[in-house]
Amino acid sequence: GQQLNQSPQSMFIQEGEDVSMNCTSSSIFNTWLWYKQDPGEGPVLLIALYKAGELTSNGRLTAQFGITRKDSFLNISASIPSDVGIYFCAGQRYGGYQKVTFGTGTKLQVIP
Amino acid sequence: NAGVMQNPRHLVRRRGQEARLRCSPMKGHSHVYWYRQLPEEGLKFMVYLQKENIIDESGMPKERFSAEFPKEGPSILRIQQVVRGDSAAYFCASSAVRGRGTNEQFFGPGTRLTVL
Repeated sequence: GQQLNQSPQSMFIQEGEDVSMNCTSSSIFNTWLWYKQDPGEGPVLLIALYKAGELTSNGRLTAQFGITRKDSFLNISASIPSDVGIYFCAGQRYGGYQKVTFGTGTKLQVIP
Repeated sequence: NAGVMQNPRHLVRRRGQEARLRCSPMKGHSHVYWYRQLPEEGLKFMVYLQKENIIDESGMPKERFSAEFPKEGPSILRIQQVVRGDSAAYFCASSAVRGRGTNEQFFGPGTRLTVL
């Protein structure tokens, strides 16, 4: 089956630093989604990407849809304590069928 | 503009009892998905439903688990004769029918099931 590998699995950073994480797949995806999950809550959609090469921003967050369609990247600039959480990538293979495959997650800790 | 609602938020059951988890999708959404999440793990797809239809249940265990999304009312995930291994957080997500945003799933807060 399809697998999404996220890296790094976890990271500790100082407040104010920039963060990069990525997601790679063994298969091509037509849509990439990035979610953040706070403890005890459901995932919240951050950014959706629909086109290979697309670069989309949401505040301090920027995500890119890899040109090969097998990867995606999320960057967070000038991290703040509330960025703490688990970030999941998710890919969807077929536009007409909406099953989504989730990555393994990147756990982010921000040191004030 | 209410988001996806799930209840109960926490559910405790003894082994052998039944668990019923409810999900009301966002207004205007007719697609519902259920996921299971174990501690420190990602979300595992279970089932995808549209109104009165199961579209994909490839992630559902073959026994004891069932899901429905009736014409009226919330979607229900039912687990019969629960075992300790069923303890997990169960998330529901919903999406719209058509348009650019059809691939964007919005999640509820989850139901945390504990089996004693």
